[in-house]
Amino acid sequence: AQSVAQPEDQVNVAEGNPLTVKCTYSVSGNPYLFWYVQYPNRGLQFLLKYITGDNLVKGSYGFEAEFNKSQTSFHLKKPSALVSDSALYFCACPGPGGSYIPTFGRGTSLIVHP
Amino acid sequence: KAGVTQTPRYLIKTRGQQVTLSCSPISGHRSVSWYQQTPGQGLQFLFEYFSETQRNKGNFPGRFSGRQFSNSRSEMNVSTLELGDSALYLCASSFTGGEADTQYFGPGTRLTVL
Repeated sequence: AQSVAQPEDQVNVAEGNPLTVKCTYSVSGNPYLFWYVQYPNRGLQFLLKYITGDNLVKGSYGFEAEFNKSQTSFHLKKPSALVSDSALYFCACPGPGGSYIPTFGRGTSLIVHP
Repeated sequence: KAGVTQTPRYLIKTRGQQVTLSCSPISGHRSVSWYQQTPGQGLQFLFEYFSETQRNKGNFPGRFSGRQFSNSRSEMNVSTLELGDSALYLCASSFTGGEADTQYFGPGTRLTVL
């Protein structure tokens, strides 16, 4: 079965410090992996995705993610956190079947302290 | 390019009533998906429409239904509302709904059932 897991419900980091939000995957074949962010009372916004090629994917707002096949991970990173990065982050992958039924992780709440 | 729009943004209904939510996808997008988001269950896939046909369906009772029009706009209907239907309902569109497609989300409709 296609699935992603976010092992942390919440991540706390001080402003200016690097941040990491973790995601592991269980996907057969070539994985397509996504990160989305949700700010309070808003829908999800696309950050970045991995399809193939370079293992380091750069996305919006200075975020990047590293695809690691040996560890089946796709962690989201940012070198220097901002208070405005505080939000709910979702990792996602396509679900089973020929069409796209995405599977989302449970979400990780990122809190950046001033 | 205009983003995904959802109307209304907020709804308050009572048990037993029915409700219709509307979603206008990004121009050119033919796939529209619906999700229910609650604190306890996270993001759950309801159904996906492509070219006016329901192509994928999540594990929700028949009280939840939807349709898509020829201009790709979509509606979802919930009949005989229950308290547990209180949630944020998100609509997302993509070009084809394929595995590597990015989904673009609307701001959501916050439904409260009293």
